[in-house]
Amino acid sequence: DVKVTQSSRYLVKRTGEKVFLECVQDMDHENMFWYRQDPGLGLRLIYFSYDVKMKEKGDIPEGYSVSREKKERFSLILESASTNQTSMYLCASTSEGENLQDTQYFGPGTRLTVL
Amino acid sequence: AQSVAQPEDQVNVAEGNPLTVKCTYSVSGNPYLFWYVQYPNRGLQFLLKYITGDNLVKGSYGFEAEFNKSQTSFHLKKPSALVSDSALYFCAVRDWGTGANNLFFGTGTRLTVIP
Repeated sequence: DVKVTQSSRYLVKRTGEKVFLECVQDMDHENMFWYRQDPGLGLRLIYFSYDVKMKEKGDIPEGYSVSREKKERFSLILESASTNQTSMYLCASTSEGENLQDTQYFGPGTRLTVL
Repeated sequence: AQSVAQPEDQVNVAEGNPLTVKCTYSVSGNPYLFWYVQYPNRGLQFLLKYITGDNLVKGSYGFEAEFNKSQTSFHLKKPSALVSDSALYFCAVRDWGTGANNLFFGTGTRLTVIP
């Protein structure tokens, strides 16, 4: 079974702090994603990566950056956390399957609170 | 451009009754459609997908979905609801505007099965 793990289930940080959220997948997937989930807004894509050291902006990249130094690991960075970044953050991965129809597999999520 | 609409924020159904969670979509390419479920404090789990072929797709936990091209709908159904089906359900469509198997998600529908 595919396993996607995230470094923390719950995180509390203060405004202005630099925050790192880590995601690791064990299925040698090429593609990895970071979403945030907010009530009434569903999932919104922050950044994605289709290869090591490659990254692309999603729909809401402002205030975030990412790093992918190894294939299995995709990090989300909040350079200076703000209260409006309080949210549930979900990581996902998928392979570069034929016809691009492969399923995305999700981690358990990190609930971040910024005070 | 892609979009997904889940017109109901909340669906309540009695245990043992059939359930339907609605989803309509708009997509510029082929409609690759997905349903995911999220249990409390968990990540998303894949339920089923439509890529091509039979319009009735069967998935995990007894769920099925019917692809209707003329109505651009992909409603999730189950003949007999269980209390354990209570969760948040997301419909998603393959985002053809970007690469890397991106998905565009709806805002979610909370299903409550009443004992």
